[in-house]
Amino acid sequence: GENVEQHPSTLSVQEGDSAVIKCTYSDSASNYFPWYKQELGKGPQLIIDIRSNVGEKKDQRIAVTLNKTAKHFSLHITETQPEDSAVYFCAASGIWNYGQNFVFGPGTRLSVLP
Amino acid sequence: GAVVSQHPSWVICKSGTSVKIECRSLDFQATTMFWYRQFPKQSLMLMATSNEGSKATYEQGVEKDKFLINHASLTLSTLTVTSAHPEDSSFYICSARDGRLGLSSEQYFGPGTRLTVT
Repeated sequence: GENVEQHPSTLSVQEGDSAVIKCTYSDSASNYFPWYKQELGKGPQLIIDIRSNVGEKKDQRIAVTLNKTAKHFSLHITETQPEDSAVYFCAASGIWNYGQNFVFGPGTRLSVLP
Repeated sequence: GAVVSQHPSWVICKSGTSVKIECRSLDFQATTMFWYRQFPKQSLMLMATSNEGSKATYEQGVEKDKFLINHASLTLSTLTVTSAHPEDSSFYICSARDGRLGLSSEQYFGPGTRLTVT
């Protein structure tokens, strides 16, 4: 089955700097890769996602890149702000009707220092 | 759009009692809902997948008689923790898939329910 690894487990950056979180997956059939932000005591919030037919996607300060050959995808946050501090989870999944559910990475705790 | 609610947001119950958690999709029809469990500082662990009108599919190691899931309508799924014990204390999160999106895989998560069993 699918296995998703995520690095680093913790990340501290100064406000205004960029943050990069990387995930690798094992199943070449996976083709949907969402990123979730989870604040303390709350449910995960989808912040960006990417499909296998796209190499990069950007939404304001957040971008995701996908390298299908190497089976890894990364979250890039530019101009970080204190409110970006949270736990970020990546996930991998296949097309729904193939019955594949999300497999989550272990998470990255991002701290943005003012 | 794509809002999922959960009720209650937190609950404290005594050991041996049962607790029901509701998950609702507020602005879309959720043909499939998922229940996750999350321990402190850990990732989300899928417990079961439920499709409207059919029995839930439980992940390996999850006791179906202990965690009863009902998905009676396209907007509501419930998780009942029966005969709860302190080790069932956890953060329970549901998610829903928008049935209108065809083969799309997006899942939208609820805010979670913190269960504490004393």
